[in-house]
Amino acid sequence: DTAVSQTPKYLVTQMGNDKSIKCEQNLGHDTMYWYKQDSKKFLKIMFSYNNKELIINETVPNRFSPKSPDKAHLNLHINSLELGDSAVYFCASSDLRGPYEQYFGPGTRLTVT
Amino acid sequence: AQTVTQSQPEMSVQEAETVTLSCTYDTSENNYYLFWYKQPPSRQMILVIRQEAYKQQNATENRFSVNFQKAAKSFSLKISDSQLGDTAMYFCAFMKPTRVGNQFYFGTGTSLTVIP
Repeated sequence: DTAVSQTPKYLVTQMGNDKSIKCEQNLGHDTMYWYKQDSKKFLKIMFSYNNKELIINETVPNRFSPKSPDKAHLNLHINSLELGDSAVYFCASSDLRGPYEQYFGPGTRLTVT
Repeated sequence: AQTVTQSQPEMSVQEAETVTLSCTYDTSENNYYLFWYKQPPSRQMILVIRQEAYKQQNATENRFSVNFQKAAKSFSLKISDSQLGDTAMYFCAFMKPTRVGNQFYFGTGTSLTVIP
């Protein structure tokens, strides 16, 4: 069974469009995260959310917004896509009570043309 | 904010040899956790090994072991008997548990190539 899943795995879209990436975890974790990995493989935290509090990296444009319909899901919505948004986006989850390692989804490669 | 530094952007090792990847971090915290993650070309992030800061004993997982030097804030990864499947990007990560969520900080990664 897949622990953390993301859909779609690949997303190609045009500038200005609005898109969403879905993330689901079946580990019973209480905290979920979104990361952006650029072409140099740098991992940048975007959001963390634990059902009570959303922590936003202040450098993330407000065109990005996480939506959590329930504890097992944290979807990423992106409005007015720009060329610089092209990257691989990873969803991850962890347990606030431990063990603390993060489990990652397979990543979504977003290409904005 | 915590910082994690991986000073070796790229490394290579002969198959069956041993290689050590370095990682240093900066923190004033006393309670924290350290991890090494592997990202092969498939791009899936895979946990390699974890270390609790309160444990003095270095963690080991089969061919993977760490040298954790708390005072020096150093957390290096040693891969023994390197295999072709070890070719990947390796990320060092620092985690600070908090009331509202675990805060993770990743290094910039080391690209390891195992040469046949």
